[in-house]
Amino acid sequence: EVQLVESGGGLVKPGGSLRLSCAASGLTLSNAWTNWVRQAPGKGLEWVGRITRTSEGAPTDYAAPLKGRFTISRDDSKNTVYLQMNSLTTDDTAVYFCNTESYSVLSNWGQGTLVTVSS
Amino acid sequence: DIVMTQSPDSLAVSLGERATINCKSSQSVLKSSNDKTFLNWYQQRPGQPPKLLISWASTRNSGVPDRFSGSGSGTDFTLTISSLQAEDVAIYYCHQYSKSPPAHTFGGGTKVEIK
Repeated sequence: EVQLVESGGGLVKPGGSLRLSCAASGLTLSNAWTNWVRQAPGKGLEWVGRITRTSEGAPTDYAAPLKGRFTISRDDSKNTVYLQMNSLTTDDTAVYFCNTESYSVLSNWGQGTLVTVSS
Repeated sequence: DIVMTQSPDSLAVSLGERATINCKSSQSVLKSSNDKTFLNWYQQRPGQPPKLLISWASTRNSGVPDRFSGSGSGTDFTLTISSLQAEDVAIYYCHQYSKSPPAHTFGGGTKVEIK
């Protein structure tokens, strides 16, 4: 059974940084396209970005408004994908989900980790 | 940028009745080389992550009850719940993928409740 577990969320001050992790079991993330999607409290889903397979050179893509502040990377030895978030603002407060993508379908989702940006 | 507009924002339906959710894209939804449409539907129950219901506009995911169906093409798509059950109370999102630039876009969501 595929399981994705996000961690690293918490309370951070505006302007601060945070790194989220997405650890997988039952699946080798180096062979998967992995996305981050966020959901602000009471709001809808917003795509953050993704990293493709290691065999493809692992290029990354980001939602235009977040480019430059957010970086996705992967540690294949730990079967984990990361989301580095810098210069955080209150608008970044959300639950952050990771999921795997196959032919544009976001099929496996983690439970999410809550990031709260507040002074 | 592609915009996905869902309607209605919310609807209340009696148990056993039909629920219909619409999703309109600002651009024609991309198709794969084998003519599959990159339009998916997700269900999100309270406190849960989204769950894939329908992929490729009309293909039910494994284990999804057959009361859920998807249809549409081009820019207009529909998710239908033929006979609403209590466990279907959730927010439903349409979703599409675009290649240039690569991006995933979600509709704003439709909240389904029991009347």
